[in-house]
Amino acid sequence: EAQVTQNPRYLITVTGKKLTVTCSQNMNHEYMSWYRQDPGLGLRQIYYSMNVEVTDKGDVPEGYKVSRKEKRNFPLILESPSPNQTSLYFCASSLGSFGDTEAFFGQGTRLTVV
Amino acid sequence: KQEVTQIPAALSVPEGENLVLNCSFTDSAIYNLQWFRQDPGKGLTSLLLIQSSQREQTSGRLNASLDKSSGRSTLYIAASQPGDSATYLCAVGEGKLIFGQGTELSVKP
Repeated sequence: EAQVTQNPRYLITVTGKKLTVTCSQNMNHEYMSWYRQDPGLGLRQIYYSMNVEVTDKGDVPEGYKVSRKEKRNFPLILESPSPNQTSLYFCASSLGSFGDTEAFFGQGTRLTVV
Repeated sequence: KQEVTQIPAALSVPEGENLVLNCSFTDSAIYNLQWFRQDPGKGLTSLLLIQSSQREQTSGRLNASLDKSSGRSTLYIAASQPGDSATYLCAVGEGKLIFGQGTELSVKP
């Protein structure tokens, strides 16, 4: 089954403790991206990647890192999480640019930073 | 800067009604427009993708239209069912996806 898989689904952590949210897709998609969803602000792009070893900032990249060492994986790293990063996070993938082809989303990771 | 607006923010209808959800965008230079469904605590499920050269797309009881010149898209749901209750999001594609805030739909039995 074609899918985007994120882990974990739920995470509660403390301020400053490094964490990684994994994302994997099995559709051989070139493009991958991370979004965060907040009430009243909607979905905003954090980082995106057009191919292996190619990443770029989205609209709200501060406090986040990503890597794309393999085509299928695109982990999101929070080096020193803060409470304002409490949010619902989504990973997405697309065969081509997110403006050109259909985007597929993971189930989401609900992160709480206390 | 592209802005995407969805009205209404919430909608409650009785089962069986036909309904229309609206999406407007400020810059007509888009590649495509995609409609998603989001269930509480779940991810986004793609419903329909309309390329900029197309006027509409249909899937089952869903029909989405696109009018680039007026900066509008509508999602028509025929014969609504309680299982259609969810938040519906539209997203404009222009190299990246820019989302509206969504319309929360409740279909009452």
